[in-house]
Amino acid sequence: NAGVTQTPKFQVLKTGQSMTLQCAQDMNHNSMYWYRQDPGMGLRLIYYSASEGTTDKGEVPNGYNVSRLNKREFSLRLESAAPSQTSVYFCASSEALKNEQFFGPGTRLTVL
Amino acid sequence: DQQVKQNSPSLSVQEGRISILNCDYTNSMFDYFLWYKKYPAEGPTFLISISSIKDKNEDGRFTVFLNKSAKHLSLHIVPSQPGDSAVYFCAATGGTSYGKLTFGQGTILTVHP
Repeated sequence: NAGVTQTPKFQVLKTGQSMTLQCAQDMNHNSMYWYRQDPGMGLRLIYYSASEGTTDKGEVPNGYNVSRLNKREFSLRLESAAPSQTSVYFCASSEALKNEQFFGPGTRLTVL
Repeated sequence: DQQVKQNSPSLSVQEGRISILNCDYTNSMFDYFLWYKKYPAEGPTFLISISSIKDKNEDGRFTVFLNKSAKHLSLHIVPSQPGDSAVYFCAATGGTSYGKLTFGQGTILTVHP
């Protein structure tokens, strides 16, 4: 099992460019999450999907959109990147009604 | 408003000694708490958790203590090993936040040989 995979690992964008971060899990988990990690801030929830076909905003959703493509895949889109979105992005998944989340390796995004 | 706080950005410990990492929370609806460990360039990995119906949970060298009245939890690592050097995050969930984790800022643990 690969667990949670994320692509790309690194990305550099210019202000105003768009991109999609991909996430997939092979653990048959119902719930999936997107976090960003900034120095001194811990991990903050951007969006989550409790089950296939549903998505909800987290703590810091502005500037982002998500798509739960199927049970395995949950993508995060930046429509018009801003320097404030420079961060490390983590995708996670969990079983239904379970609190333990399993994380991917992260995507390091720099917006110039 | 930071609902979960780890007030020590870093901790340095000698190999073989005890490491104690602390975490405070403000939301009284939180009823489940987790600790995650993170190495550089990797995602966080789940370490240990505790429900609010308990005040202690052990797993090998790792023990988590919960003091509900003080809204405080701590992670004890005994004995500490150099491989334990990492960033440790506490996280909480419960109430209307069920299923969503609120993380602390993290504590960098360095265990010296």
